[in-house]
Amino acid sequence: KQEVTQIPAALSVPEGENLVLNCSFTDSAIYNLQWFRQDPGKGLTSLLLIQSSQREQTSGRLNASLDKSSGRSTLYIAASQPGDSATYLCAAMDYGGSQGNLIFGKGTKLSVKP
Amino acid sequence: NAGVMQNPRHLVRRRGQEARLRCSPMKGHSHVYWYRQLPEEGLKFMVYLQKENIIDESGMPKERFSAEFPKEGPSILRIQQVVRGDSAAYFCASSGTSGNTIYFGEGSWLTVV
Repeated sequence: KQEVTQIPAALSVPEGENLVLNCSFTDSAIYNLQWFRQDPGKGLTSLLLIQSSQREQTSGRLNASLDKSSGRSTLYIAASQPGDSATYLCAAMDYGGSQGNLIFGKGTKLSVKP
Repeated sequence: NAGVMQNPRHLVRRRGQEARLRCSPMKGHSHVYWYRQLPEEGLKFMVYLQKENIIDESGMPKERFSAEFPKEGPSILRIQQVVRGDSAAYFCASSGTSGNTIYFGEGSWLTVV
């Protein structure tokens, strides 16, 4: 059974710092891995989607990597800003599951201080 | 281009009442997914529906919960005889045929008192 873990649960950094959020998964047979952002009381916004055949994806100041052999993904945020404060979730889609059956971690709550 | 629309955004029900949560997928999407986010827990998959069909309900509780996606109208997640433990945020998501990119709604927050 796939399990997704995110460490740390919370992170506080000063504005301008580069940071890395970690995500690990127990079963390497994933179809894809996604990173989402969730603001308090809001829904999820998809940030990056990495297919199982890919190693990384980039969008603006965000870069996500995927290493299936080690069961790890990282989300790198460059030059953090207060507006980046949110909870970041990673989710794996298994080959064995139906589409849309994402297995989520509990998230990392990021606070960027001005 | 409206995103995934959920209503109500907030719902308060007394124990034993019924809760109905509605979801209209993004335009052009025919695949709908429901997730539940309990306090201090991650999002958990509940059910995957296409028009008039339940494709995967492996995450649905066995009793009191049901979901439908009729030929016309929104998808409905129905919770009968609600209990305090049903208090959670319920998220709907939708996708096109490939299911590769999934778009989430803003969620419906259910509080059972």
